[in-house]
Amino acid sequence: EIVMTQSPVTLSVSPGDRATLSCRASQSVNSNLAWYQQKPGQAPRLLIYGASTRATGIPARFSGSGSGTEFTLTISSLQSEDFAVYYCQQYNNWPPFTFGQGTKLEIK
Amino acid sequence: EVQVVESGGDLVQPGRSLRLSCTASGFTFGDYAMSWVRQAPGKGLEWVSFIRSKASGGTTEYAASVKGRFTISRDDSKSLAYLQMNSLKTEDTAVYYCTRDPFTVVRGGYYYYMDVWGKGTTVTVSS
Repeated sequence: EIVMTQSPVTLSVSPGDRATLSCRASQSVNSNLAWYQQKPGQAPRLLIYGASTRATGIPARFSGSGSGTEFTLTISSLQSEDFAVYYCQQYNNWPPFTFGQGTKLEIK
Repeated sequence: EVQVVESGGDLVQPGRSLRLSCTASGFTFGDYAMSWVRQAPGKGLEWVSFIRSKASGGTTEYAASVKGRFTISRDDSKSLAYLQMNSLKTEDTAVYYCTRDPFTVVRGGYYYYMDVWGKGTTVTVSS
């Protein structure tokens, strides 16, 4: 089973600043990596798939990069609605599909 | 509008059974694989089960934690997916999400991700 590790656990950033979230896989997942955003009391929403492809309707301030075992989600110029929990998920070696433990992005 | 809506969550005693339903609309249900993902209170996301489209064989996959107790199925004529949960344990307490799973094909391999999520249905297992 591939273990996904996200860092940091909590990230404090000011509105308008850039946020960089990291995700590491225990073995290569090629580019088969997705990012999801979850706000309190809501379902997760797909942001990025294929490590770098934005899902439909996702603003251009969200970008994904990386391949193999190291991945990054960057949110440029944070908006108030971006403060949430972010999960990475690998879909290269499955079952099982595995998620990271999440990074909570909070307002500084 | 493309959406999936879960139903069937309830409070049940340990050892009992429950069936969740996922109603899809706004897309051709039979063309897609579907998954169930759960989230225990205050915890992260855990994939539970997956079913391929009929065109891909309709076969199923399960997390080790539920294999032998849970069964996923689908009724394409009704745009419905189900999760039959037997021998429920307290650790099955969670919000259960249904997801639509499109795929990409790379060098003959099928790679599925979860692009549409429902709002979830709550399952509480407690005596």
